[in-house]
Amino acid sequence: EILLTQSPATLSLSPGERATLSCRASQSVSSYLAWYQQKPGQAPRLLIYEASNRATGIPARFSGSGTGADFTLTISSLEPADFAVYYCQQRTNWHSVTFGQGTRLEIK
Amino acid sequence: QVQLVESGGGVVQPGRSLRLSCAASGFSFSSYAMHWVRQAPGKGLEWVAVISYDGTSQYYADSVKGRFTISRDNSKNTLYLQMNSLKAEDTAMYYCARDDSAYYFDYWGQGTLVTVSS
Repeated sequence: EILLTQSPATLSLSPGERATLSCRASQSVSSYLAWYQQKPGQAPRLLIYEASNRATGIPARFSGSGTGADFTLTISSLEPADFAVYYCQQRTNWHSVTFGQGTRLEIK
Repeated sequence: QVQLVESGGGVVQPGRSLRLSCAASGFSFSSYAMHWVRQAPGKGLEWVAVISYDGTSQYYADSVKGRFTISRDNSKNTLYLQMNSLKAEDTAMYYCARDDSAYYFDYWGQGTLVTVSS
């Protein structure tokens, strides 16, 4: 099973600052990686797929990068609505779908 | 618009069974693979199972293999999860999610809570 490790576990920043979240895979997943945002009491929302493609309706301040085993989600200028938990997810095939443990982005 | 509405959760004793349903609308249900993903209280996301668009293929996480069965009725636009031999560690919010045809989850329901407790 491919493990995904996200860092940091918690990130404390202020609105307007830049956020950089990391996701590292235990082996290469090529570009088969997605990012999700989850707010309290809500279902996750797809932000980024195939490492760098924004999902429908996702603002341009969200960007993804990386390939192989190291990936980054960047939020260029934080807005109050962006404070949430973020998960990465890999899919090499239907037999192997795993999530990272999450990064909590909190207001400083 | 795409809607996924789960139901069937509740409190159940260890060893008993429960069946979850997910009613889909706003898209061509029979054209998409569907997944169940769960989240234990205060924990992260765990993929549970997937079923192909036509129901001919299913895959499961090792943690539920042999106990859970995913199925679908395309005539009713409904996804199911039959959960048998439930354990305390199966306690979680269960979400159904649509596969965007590339093994990512582009739409999610709001979830149904399953609590396994004596």
